[in-house]
Amino acid sequence: KQEVTQIPAALSVPEGENLVLNCSFTDSAIYNLQWFRQDPGKGLTSLLLIQSSQREQTSGRLNASLDKSSGRSTLYIAASQPGDSATYLCAGTQTGANNLFFGTGTRLTVIP
Amino acid sequence: DTGVSQNPRHKITKRGQNVTFRCDPISEHNRLYWYRQTLGQGPEFLTYFQNEAQLEKSRLLSDRFSAERPKGSFSTLEIQRTEQGDSAMYLCASSLEGGDSQPQHFGDGTRLSIL
Repeated sequence: KQEVTQIPAALSVPEGENLVLNCSFTDSAIYNLQWFRQDPGKGLTSLLLIQSSQREQTSGRLNASLDKSSGRSTLYIAASQPGDSATYLCAGTQTGANNLFFGTGTRLTVIP
Repeated sequence: DTGVSQNPRHKITKRGQNVTFRCDPISEHNRLYWYRQTLGQGPEFLTYFQNEAQLEKSRLLSDRFSAERPKGSFSTLEIQRTEQGDSAMYLCASSLEGGDSQPQHFGDGTRLSIL
């Protein structure tokens, strides 16, 4: 069974800092990967999707990369803002399956 | 684009009662997924529809759970004889068919509390 680990579990940074969130899969046979943010009591907002043939994706201050050989992904957030405070979840699919396997998330707090 | 809509947002019920949740996907999306999320955990897959066909079911989906997607539009998830362990957030997601290029879009979920 695919297990997904996210490190750190929680992170607190001052506003303006750049930061990196990590995600690793026990089974490196990942087909595609999505990063989401979740605000308290809410659903998930899709941030970035890395397709099977891609290695990274960028959107604004966010950059996600995927190393399939190691089964690891990182989410880089530049110039963090208080509005970035949320839980960030990574999730991947495996070849031949459509469901996402999720990590337990990193709870980010950006201090003004 | 109105997004994925889930109703109700909250449901409180007594143990042993039946509950039903509804999900309205993004209108042109033919794929629909149900996930369950407990406190402090990431979502776990329950089941998946392509149009009206239920194509995958997780082992988490016990015989007390049933999901339908009549006419390939909205979907319902029913839990019979609810138990304390069913307390969770139930999330619905939808996507277009299209290999690896289509992200899943999630609703705000239905939070179920069993008394």
